[in-house]
Amino acid sequence: QSALTQPPSASGSPGQSVTISCTGTSSDVGGYNYVSWYLQYPGKAPKLIIYEVNKRPSGVSDRFSGSKSGNTAYLTVSGLQAEDEADYYCTSWTGSSTVIFGGGTKVTVL
Amino acid sequence: EVQLVESGGGLVQPGGSLRLSCAASGFTFTTYWMHWVRQAPGKGLVWVSRISNDGTNTDYADSVKGRFTISRDNTHNTLYLHMNSLRAEDTAVYYCARGHYVYPRSVFEYWGQGDLVTVSS
Repeated sequence: QSALTQPPSASGSPGQSVTISCTGTSSDVGGYNYVSWYLQYPGKAPKLIIYEVNKRPSGVSDRFSGSKSGNTAYLTVSGLQAEDEADYYCTSWTGSSTVIFGGGTKVTVL
Repeated sequence: EVQLVESGGGLVQPGGSLRLSCAASGFTFTTYWMHWVRQAPGKGLVWVSRISNDGTNTDYADSVKGRFTISRDNTHNTLYLHMNSLRAEDTAVYYCARGHYVYPRSVFEYWGQGDLVTVSS
């Protein structure tokens, strides 16, 4: 199964918002509300920031929000800060009972 | 504090075998599904395998099915990944991850720091 499609890069100035898309099919993103997002700093382990499309784990900033429309999920980072510069990955449950990742998006804070 | 510490990685020749371990602490290990996720150098994340909290249910990505075996020792709070017939394309940092309590099969709530496996002659 192919990876979910994410833009390779996204950027924004401090204080602005950036939105990352994650496109799949009706067999994954479009078929289930089991989309998660992870943040990864270089050389570090990923960290869960969104699950079930739009839920935030305890301790995750409310500047992170998720949504979904059809076969595409979105992660929005509001009020960009220098610490938000990282790689972001989406995942989805699939009809094959597996989990598929997106290719990752590198967010740069200008 | 949840801690997951991987070990056992290193350099192995193509066709060789290796066993990764993940020592868990800071939570009730027997309650949670566990996963392995890997990341090739400079590439994205890929789910590899998962195991149910009691060890009776396992699943694998097609790319490792028949070559890798996931297991766990609930007495010693340790997760394992037995890797056989290793190929160059298995070279990656391998992360163990704890499944979410509500979504154990699809959400990776906590991650270890990762361990590098290099398959090369």
